[in-house]
Amino acid sequence: TQLLEQSPQFLSIQEGENLTVYCNSSSVFSSLQWYRQEPGEGPVLLVTVVTGGEVKKLKRLTFQFGDARKDSSLHITAAQPGDTGLYLCAGDDVNTGFQKLVFGTGTRLLVSP
Amino acid sequence: EAEVAQSPRYKITEKSQAVAFWCDPISGHATLYWYRQILGQGPELLVQFQDESVVDDSQLPKDRFSAERLKGVDSTLKIQPAELGDSAMYLCASSRDRNTGELFFGEGSRLTVL
Repeated sequence: TQLLEQSPQFLSIQEGENLTVYCNSSSVFSSLQWYRQEPGEGPVLLVTVVTGGEVKKLKRLTFQFGDARKDSSLHITAAQPGDTGLYLCAGDDVNTGFQKLVFGTGTRLLVSP
Repeated sequence: EAEVAQSPRYKITEKSQAVAFWCDPISGHATLYWYRQILGQGPELLVQFQDESVVDDSQLPKDRFSAERLKGVDSTLKIQPAELGDSAMYLCASSRDRNTGELFFGEGSRLTVL
């Protein structure tokens, strides 16, 4: 079973600070997705990255896929309380003939006003 | 906006009892997933359907868990008998096809086994 390790596990910051969440694996993925999950709800897709080295921006969020497609990062600039939630990366197993998403261990972010 | 429907939202049961969860995916989505999520951790895939067929159930504890999607639309996940370690959130998700794309998740069914 492929493992996606996320770090840090938990992050508590003040509004306006910057932060980076990392998603690492020893396996290669055909694509990688980032989701955010709020308490009592299911995860919601933020972005999909496909190409090694790809960088995507979503307002204050910047996502990067590693050159070797084994890792990814999420950078948030000037965090706001609305960014609070559980951030999950999910890699698509390159060894299967269909999409099989393996989720990371999760990073819980708390942004205080 | 179309959503994935799940029921019940909450279920409390005693160990050794049977429990069932239901999921209705977004209309037209061929692929349906059941995930289990321990509080604060990432979801773990239990079973994946393409239409009515199982394409991956390698992580499903088949001695006590079963899942079906008889008509290729809605799905049921059953646990019998429930054990203390089954306490978790059970998430259903759907996607347009099995090859790529966004997963749309329901709100989940939270199970507590006493």
